[in-house]
Amino acid sequence: EVQLVESGGGLVQPGGSLRLSCAASGFTFSSYWMHWVRQAPGKGLVWVSRINSDGGITSYADSVKGRFTISRDNAKNTLYLQMNSLRAEDTAVYYCARSPPWDCYMDVWGKGTTVTVS
Amino acid sequence: DIVMTQSPDSLAVSLGERATISCKSSQSVLYSSNNKNYLAWYQQKPGQPPKLLIYWASTREFGVPDRFSGSGSGTDFTLTISSLQAEDVAVYYCQHYYASPPYTFGQGTKLEIK
Repeated sequence: EVQLVESGGGLVQPGGSLRLSCAASGFTFSSYWMHWVRQAPGKGLVWVSRINSDGGITSYADSVKGRFTISRDNAKNTLYLQMNSLRAEDTAVYYCARSPPWDCYMDVWGKGTTVTVS
Repeated sequence: DIVMTQSPDSLAVSLGERATISCKSSQSVLYSSNNKNYLAWYQQKPGQPPKLLIYWASTREFGVPDRFSGSGSGTDFTLTISSLQAEDVAVYYCQHYYASPPYTFGQGTKLEIK
C-alpha cells in the first residue's frame, strides 16, 4: 500500500524549532518529488515547500523562506521539514504529499501532523 | 504569483442534482508547448487529508467516480459533480502547478446537501 506518515509535530514556543518527518512506503520514494502543504485551523490549503527527486532542487513559499528547510533521505525513504524561528501563524496541520517529477499535482497525501506555536 | 479564485465559497445542492464549482486563475495555466492545463482539483472531507480528484484540468484520478468531471482551459475551470451523492459532502480546492512555485490553491468551496 502506498503510504505517507508524518510525525514530529507538537507544541512549541514562538521562536522555537521543530523537525517534521514523513515516512514513505509502498512506492519508489526516490522517483517522486515531494511537498509540504499546511492548513491552519479552519482555513484552506497552503503550499509550503517542494523538493525534487534527488534533493538538489528546493522551493519555498515566501512566508517560510529563510526559516524552513526541506530535505530528504532517499536511503531512508523519508522527507523532512526543519522549521526554525516559528511564529504563531505557523500553527497548522502539516501534510506531506508526493507528485510526479516536474508535474506537481499531488496524488498521495499523508494524514498530517499538527504544529502549534504558542 | 498566480492567484486562484473559486466560486462560490459554499454551495448547497439536492441529492441527485448537479453541482458546479468554478475556479479562475490570475494568469493562464495552459502551457502552449504541450497544450496542457496545469490545474488540479482536490476533495477534502472533515478530519481527512485532501484527495486528488482531477489533474491536467480534466483527467480523472484512478478510482474517482465518473460523476466527477473537470473542464476549462487557460484561466477558467469548472469541477462538475453530475449527480450529487451524500458522500460528496466536502470542501473542494483547485490548485495550479504551472511553471514555478508557489503552487497556490483556491480558497475552497464547501459543498453541502440541500
